[in-house]
Amino acid sequence: DAGITQSPRHKVTETGTPVTLRCHQTENHRYMYWYRQDPGHGLRLIHYSYGVKDTDKGEVSDGYSVSRSKTEDFLLTLESATSSQTSVYFCAISESLAGVSYEQYFGPGTRLTVT
Amino acid sequence: AQKITQTQPGMFVQEKEAVTLDCTYDTSDQSYGLFWYKQPSSGEMIFLIYQGSYDEQNATEGRYSLNFQKARKSANLVISASQLGDSAMYFCAMRDYNQGGKLIFGQGTELSVKP
Repeated sequence: DAGITQSPRHKVTETGTPVTLRCHQTENHRYMYWYRQDPGHGLRLIHYSYGVKDTDKGEVSDGYSVSRSKTEDFLLTLESATSSQTSVYFCAISESLAGVSYEQYFGPGTRLTVT
Repeated sequence: AQKITQTQPGMFVQEKEAVTLDCTYDTSDQSYGLFWYKQPSSGEMIFLIYQGSYDEQNATEGRYSLNFQKARKSANLVISASQLGDSAMYFCAMRDYNQGGKLIFGQGTELSVKP
């Protein structure tokens, strides 16, 4: 199994509070992704990173920011949590976009509830 | 825009029988990759199988095979000899090389295996 951990695994927070989710990998993979999973929508990309300090937005990036100061860590921050951000958040990693290493491996997920 | 469609919200199959989960995709790219993931009730995303657009042979991984029909833009997952442990959500996904290799997911098919 790919070495990906997410913390916390569960969190309940109040509307308006900042929240940071952490993704940590031990695979030294270049690409890291944050997705959210909601009923009826499958998984949708929030942000991704293609290297240290190199990040870009996905399709549902409003209200989220990310940072990657080390290869192994990718942080997702909700600056001011809203109830619409209640979701399950998955981190994923990928070694490359070319060659045989196409697979994305997913972390265990973080269940976030905003009350 | 790229899109994945899974038209079967839920399916039932008898244990030990084969089952096909449908997936159609839409893309104007010549080079693309198609994936299937399994999500059991515990929530983790498990990579099952990958098919590249230039692969001439259908991908197989143990009891999983991907029926790739490029002209019809379909990438159906076939599970042979279903087991009770195959009960889960199954997601078809396509890689988008224009956005850091993100995965575009379908809405999923919930498979229930009956004893």
